[in-house]
Amino acid sequence: DGGITQSPKYLFRKEGQNVTLSCEQNLNHDAMYWYRQDPGQGLRLIYYSQIVNDFQKGDIAEGYSVSREKKESFPLTVTSAQKNPTAFYLCASEAYWLAGVPGELFFGEGSRLTVL
Amino acid sequence: SQQGEEDPQALSIQEGENATMNCSYKTSINNLQWYRQNSGRGLVHLILIRSNEREKHSGRLRVTLDTSKKSSSLLITASRAADTASYFCATDGGNNDMRFGAGTRLTVKP
Repeated sequence: DGGITQSPKYLFRKEGQNVTLSCEQNLNHDAMYWYRQDPGQGLRLIYYSQIVNDFQKGDIAEGYSVSREKKESFPLTVTSAQKNPTAFYLCASEAYWLAGVPGELFFGEGSRLTVL
Repeated sequence: SQQGEEDPQALSIQEGENATMNCSYKTSINNLQWYRQNSGRGLVHLILIRSNEREKHSGRLRVTLDTSKKSSSLLITASRAADTASYFCATDGGNNDMRFGAGTRLTVKP
């Protein structure tokens, strides 16, 4: 079945360590997004990519890095520079970028990162 | 920055009642979308309304859009306990960067 797969679902990290969250989609979508969600809060945009080998910072990119070497994959690295990384991270993809108008986002099930 | 803001933050109703949630946004949009999130899960798309549309229906959902007031509403009719979730509006920021509000937490009591 087509969809977006995020892994791991739960991740624990010690302070000072970098961690990478995986996001893979087989929907053949051009655009992909990373959001952060804190308890009881909305989603804040970290990074987004509209095409392979290109990505843009969102509202809270500091302390995060991404790559988009393949259409199917958009991994997010949470670096030690991110001061408060404990959160729920959501990846999404979207099909209609090339039409110029954003369409429906398809979300993964999220990765919950806890810093010990 | 957050583009949309939902109101109310929380809503509690009885099964069978209607639930209305509102969303206000700040800048011009191409479309506005509503999503649902069950606790601890990813978001699921509910409905998309384009900027040149005023009302749209999908099953028990009714969405309105008033671009002059930069606002939208989501109405869920004849609510069920299974409708308990958080509901978010999302708008494009002009660069295809989709942004979400803080959401409305809906509780439907059986």
